[in-house]
Amino acid sequence: EIVMTQSPATLSVSPGERATLSCRASQTISSNLAWYQQRPGHVPRLLIYGASTRATGIPARFRGSGSGTAFTLTISGLQSEDFAVYYCQSYNNWWGTFGPGTKVDVK
Amino acid sequence: QVQLVESGGGVVQPGRSLRLSCAASGFTFSSYAMHWVRQAPGKGLEWVAVIWYDGTNKQFADSVKGRLTISRDNSKNTLYLQINSLRAEDTAVYFCGRGGVAGTGALDYWGQGTLVTVSS
Repeated sequence: EIVMTQSPATLSVSPGERATLSCRASQTISSNLAWYQQRPGHVPRLLIYGASTRATGIPARFRGSGSGTAFTLTISGLQSEDFAVYYCQSYNNWWGTFGPGTKVDVK
Repeated sequence: QVQLVESGGGVVQPGRSLRLSCAASGFTFSSYAMHWVRQAPGKGLEWVAVIWYDGTNKQFADSVKGRLTISRDNSKNTLYLQINSLRAEDTAVYFCGRGGVAGTGALDYWGQGTLVTVSS
C-alpha cells in the first residue's frame, strides 16, 4: 500500500505571502496525485488533479507540480479564505490514499 | 447541479452493522466511479473504498478490508457502504465522493457526510 507523507504539519504564513506545501509518496505514482483544501466545518474541495491541473473554478494562485514521488502545492498571495488544511491524495490504480495534511494558519 | 447526499449514520453499538447510503443527482451516476472517505473527529481524511462505474471492480483500504462492502444501484442513482463488526475506531464522518474527473481517481464532488458513532 502506498504511504503518503506531507510536510510541514503546520505552516504559518502572513496574508499576501506564498505558501509551499510538500507531499511525498512511498513509491512512484507518476502524476496520479490530487490536492484538496478543507476549511473548518467544511467538506473537502478538489484543487488540483493530475499533479498540476487545476480543478474547475480554482484560482490561478494555486499551482501544483511534481511527478513520481515528490509533489508540491504552491499558493501565491495567500488570502483569508486560503487558511485551511490541505491534503494530498494518491489515486494510483484507483486506490485513494491521503496524506496526513498540512495546516496553513495565520502568522 | 451535482448533489451527493449521505444518510444512514447514527449511534451504533460495537459489533453491530450499519449501511450508509449516498443519493446522487445532477449527473449521469452510471458513468462515474464512486468513493467513500471517512474522517474521525479532529483527524485527517482516510480513503475507504471505491467502486467502478458499473460495479465490476471494487477496492478497499487495508484498514477496513473484510468488514466493508461497497455497492451501487445505478437504477436508483445510489451508492452504499455496509460496515460490519463496527469498532470504536470506525467512529467518523463518512463522505461519498464522485471520482473520475478527466479519467482520474480524484474526487471532484463530495457529499456533506453522515456521522457514525460507535459506542455502547
